[in-house]
Amino acid sequence: DAKTTQPPSMDCAEGRAANLPCNHSTISGNEYVYWYRQIHSQGPQYIIHGLKNNETNEMASLIITEDRKSSTLILPHATLRDTAVYYCIVQPSDNYGQNFVFGPGTRLSVLP
Amino acid sequence: DVKVTQSSRYLVKRTGEKVFLECVQDMDHENMFWYRQDPGLGLRLIYFSYDVKMKEKGDIPEGYSVSREKKERFSLILESASTNQTSMYLCASSFVGTQETQYFGPGTRLLVL
Repeated sequence: DAKTTQPPSMDCAEGRAANLPCNHSTISGNEYVYWYRQIHSQGPQYIIHGLKNNETNEMASLIITEDRKSSTLILPHATLRDTAVYYCIVQPSDNYGQNFVFGPGTRLSVLP
Repeated sequence: DVKVTQSSRYLVKRTGEKVFLECVQDMDHENMFWYRQDPGLGLRLIYFSYDVKMKEKGDIPEGYSVSREKKERFSLILESASTNQTSMYLCASSFVGTQETQYFGPGTRLLVL
């Protein structure tokens, strides 16, 4: 079972920031928070991951609460091409053959 | 750039046929994975491999086998395809170690008639 809960769907206006929440209240100390997205009929695409500090890359920012029980993925200026299903996953830091458990994710629709 | 490629994007096969799905990664990753994705069921792990000639069963290995003769290549084999194996098949790879991201291929959509 996935260890995360996400809203099933969200809308966002093009050009605005998209803020996607994720709850992971049972996360343990050595587990990272990963975000992936999947555009229709394609393989999942890695976005970002973090442990406890906030992270930013060219695609997005990841804000993790101090207690690490929830996080938010921020797409600062959403475009129509960001329409996808976004998955939040927690994964132990020692990746010795651990598969990623994808839950149902959040279907983000970016509207013109 | 990270690259995982899969041999076909779309494949149509008949019941009972032997089917080969190939995955190649160019990142020198030790780990390679095969998943299937079905509506409402998410991604389910079929097999993974942590080194050449090594393999481990995932959650749903029945009806499948795998082969890893070279580090960069991981093959999924459907010995005798059945209609319930119609699905999207996804390959992924990662380094062994700490916080190693899995990178996915584009997927193969298989239809078994």
